[in-house]
Amino acid sequence: EAGVAQSPRYKIIEKRQSVAFWCNPISGHATLYWYQQILGQGPKLLIQFQNNGVVDDSQLPKDRFSAERLKGVDSTLKIQPAKLEDSAVYLCASSLVLGLGGETQYFGPGTRLLVL
Amino acid sequence: DAKTTQPPSMDCAEGRAANLPCNHSTISGNEYVYWYRQIHSQGPQYIIHGLKNNETNEMASLIITEDRKSSTLILPHATLRDTAVYYCMLRSPGGSARQLTFGSGTQLTVLP
Repeated sequence: EAGVAQSPRYKIIEKRQSVAFWCNPISGHATLYWYQQILGQGPKLLIQFQNNGVVDDSQLPKDRFSAERLKGVDSTLKIQPAKLEDSAVYLCASSLVLGLGGETQYFGPGTRLLVL
Repeated sequence: DAKTTQPPSMDCAEGRAANLPCNHSTISGNEYVYWYRQIHSQGPQYIIHGLKNNETNEMASLIITEDRKSSTLILPHATLRDTAVYYCMLRSPGGSARQLTFGSGTQLTVLP
């Protein structure tokens, strides 16, 4: 079974530029998550989708971050404009079912963003 | 507020059991204990989860105390490839996504 795919793997941009990350979850997984992981810290959830609907985006900085999952499969996360403190690894995860105790998240390799 | 507390680092000799503790004294009745690990430069990997009974799978064992206020992840025969950051987290069915807080985890170093 193919895992969660993310691209690009690395991105370097200058502050105030925009950037987009793409995630393709495991086939059939209805729930998709985006996390931000700053160096030395654990992953922090940004947004959670169930199919193509947003379940929770309370920790997403909406003034500069946006995310969509239009067809309930692939998802994109965008930052516009980027700030230096956005330098981090952006992780995508998917799971089969939301809300059951046995939910297991499968993570992609992440996109490493450096903002100069 | 962090709901779980883990030591920042631990060492373990290769071939020996690694016992990683996690305190979760404010755990709610319907919250599961989950363990993930993250090997350097990779995404987190699911290890095991449990509610109140001890659990075992091909990767590890999870021991949850009777009062559920703490748990221990056991890697029975640690190898060098088990060197990683191990995260303990709590999640209830249908719980808010804000529960998905990994904290800082425990850096386990397996020594040859």
